[in-house]
Amino acid sequence: QVTLKESGPALVKPTQTLTLTCTFSGFSLSTHGMRVSWIRQPPGTALEWLAHIDWDDDKFYSTSLKTRLTISKDTSKNQVVLTMTNMDPVDTATYYCARIPVIVDAFDYWGQGALVTVSS
Amino acid sequence: QSVLTQPPSVSAAPGQNVTISCSGSSSIIGNNFVSWYQQLPGTAPKLLIYDNNRRPSGIPDRFSGSKSGTSATLGITGLQTGDEAVYYCGTWYSSLNAGGVFGGGTKLTVL
Repeated sequence: QVTLKESGPALVKPTQTLTLTCTFSGFSLSTHGMRVSWIRQPPGTALEWLAHIDWDDDKFYSTSLKTRLTISKDTSKNQVVLTMTNMDPVDTATYYCARIPVIVDAFDYWGQGALVTVSS
Repeated sequence: QSVLTQPPSVSAAPGQNVTISCSGSSSIIGNNFVSWYQQLPGTAPKLLIYDNNRRPSGIPDRFSGSKSGTSATLGITGLQTGDEAVYYCGTWYSSLNAGGVFGGGTKLTVL
């Protein structure tokens, strides 16, 4: 059974750095063709893709947020970590992690999401 | 404004059929597979369709997908009240390695 779960602070202050962890089970990120992505959704608005990391440690970022994002993985812990620097109130959103197996080429399993509010 | 364009809302009565469109450029939809996601209120998105028209295990055949040129369509037949949700199309910028892109979402109301 594939599961993913996001964890991290519910509240961060402007200019702080956000660190989110995606802990997953039921698959391995060392499997050829496997990827894990981060996606966010501001309240009441659409989904926005942020980044993904491949089984071979290749990393890809949203062009508009590239300078603020870092994605990494710990295969032994089945975790993917996303950091976002210089947080702003407009970054208030629910942050999801999701799996992308290459044979599906889509986000086939999602975590429940973690709401992050940016406020002083 | 999203790179993929969807109608903000559609509505239909239970038992009826509905389609939701998703349009984009030739470099995005035209060259990549399209997927569709259902987001019920207060929940994470759920994959309904991938590779334009394939359904994951467990998704009923009331849901279908198609793509032609730079547009994709999600079809839902025999609408049920439980289908009331926001539906998103998604694909990739030129390739998976260039990153993902979603439509703005379509709110389906089952009257």
